[in-house]
Amino acid sequence: GEDVEQSLFLSVREGDSSVINCTYTDSSSTYLYWYKQEPGAGLQLLTYIFSNMDMKQDQRLTVLLNKKDKHLSLRIADTQTGDSAIYFCAEVNNNAGNMLTFGGGTRLMVKP
Amino acid sequence: DVKVTQSSRYLVKRTGEKVFLECVQDMDHENMFWYRQDPGLGLRLIYFSYDVKMKEKGDIPEGYSVSREKKERFSLILESASTNQTSMYLCASTSLASGSSGAKNIQYFGAGTRLSVL
Repeated sequence: GEDVEQSLFLSVREGDSSVINCTYTDSSSTYLYWYKQEPGAGLQLLTYIFSNMDMKQDQRLTVLLNKKDKHLSLRIADTQTGDSAIYFCAEVNNNAGNMLTFGGGTRLMVKP
Repeated sequence: DVKVTQSSRYLVKRTGEKVFLECVQDMDHENMFWYRQDPGLGLRLIYFSYDVKMKEKGDIPEGYSVSREKKERFSLILESASTNQTSMYLCASTSLASGSSGAKNIQYFGAGTRLSVL
């Protein structure tokens, strides 16, 4: 079945870069997504990348996609305490009516 | 902006009670979803609906049912709440069409309902 995996926890110091990694299994996924969940809130779309791209940059965020290894990463430059949250990657499950399959989430803790 | 509203942020219910969780979206989206979120397990899909009066089971439908009588509203029902249904419940919606960014399948989430069953 489809499976999206992420590490559970990442801790960085304020001002450092954070890299959150994700592996996915559906090689036919057209889009891959990063969502952010702040404490006590729902998920908000942070960014996405189309499968024919290797990289997408959006201000402090850089998404890297390695289709060969089915590996997706989210880099946050100059990480701030406000970036502390749970980050979910998600892929489109083309075998299930284009549903999204979510990873388990990576909790990012930013220390001052 | 898309708005997905869940009727309650926090609910406390007793074992055996019938519980209704309501979700409303204002963007005329066709698809709506109910997930539960538990520590270490991520998001698990309970049910989804792709049209009015249509529903499909997700990965963990046992103990739940849903209702979609109107396009904008998707209700999750716990017929007889149990303690193992204590969780965070998230509603989401998505359109079949591409968004303004060109990406499809973007799901928009409500703020979540934290349900405690005692």
